[in-house]
Amino acid sequence: KAGVTQTPRYLIKTRGQQVTLSCSPISGHRSVSWYQQTPGQGLQFLFEYFSETQRNKGNFPGRFSGRQFSNSRSEMNVSTLELGDSALYLCASSLATTSEAFFGQGTRLTVV
Amino acid sequence: QKEVEQNSGPLSVPEGAIASLNCTYSDRVSQSFFWYRQYSGKSPELIMSIYSNGDKEDGRFTAQLNKASQYVSLLIRDSQPSDSATYLCAVKAGNTPLVFGKGTRLSVIA
Repeated sequence: KAGVTQTPRYLIKTRGQQVTLSCSPISGHRSVSWYQQTPGQGLQFLFEYFSETQRNKGNFPGRFSGRQFSNSRSEMNVSTLELGDSALYLCASSLATTSEAFFGQGTRLTVV
Repeated sequence: QKEVEQNSGPLSVPEGAIASLNCTYSDRVSQSFFWYRQYSGKSPELIMSIYSNGDKEDGRFTAQLNKASQYVSLLIRDSQPSDSATYLCAVKAGNTPLVFGKGTRLSVIA
């Protein structure tokens, strides 16, 4: 059974640009969550989607947005990139919002 | 603000010893508790989940939960150098998001 797939694995962007990250959950999983991980802050929750609906949202500025498609694949977008957005972005999928969550390999974003 | 607290470490144990990792949480209505292992440069990997008070064993790993004390722990028996990683405690209440601690770095010395 394939795991959670995140693309791309690595990205280098310039300040002010925008970026879109993609996440394909484990087959049959309908819940997708996104996290930002930095050395100082640990894993910070961005948002959670279930059946195309955003169920929860973390304390991030409006530059961070996401969506989920009917096949449960999810994308997150960051507009007007700042240096502080450099981080590992992790996607996790679960059967339901109350189930165990399994992480993808992450997308390492570097903003220069 | 829901919080999950872990000692950042590093926790150093000799090969073959028992490593004990601890976690406390602030939200009394938390229902689900998870331990993830994260190797440097990799993503977190789920190793244990526990939902009721007591112990849950899986191979060399034992998770312990005490809801009255708001405390969850992970024991690793016969620690191996390959167990050297950061261990993340995560807590969940119903449909609210998983809340992670900042992790404890474990170093197993051969």
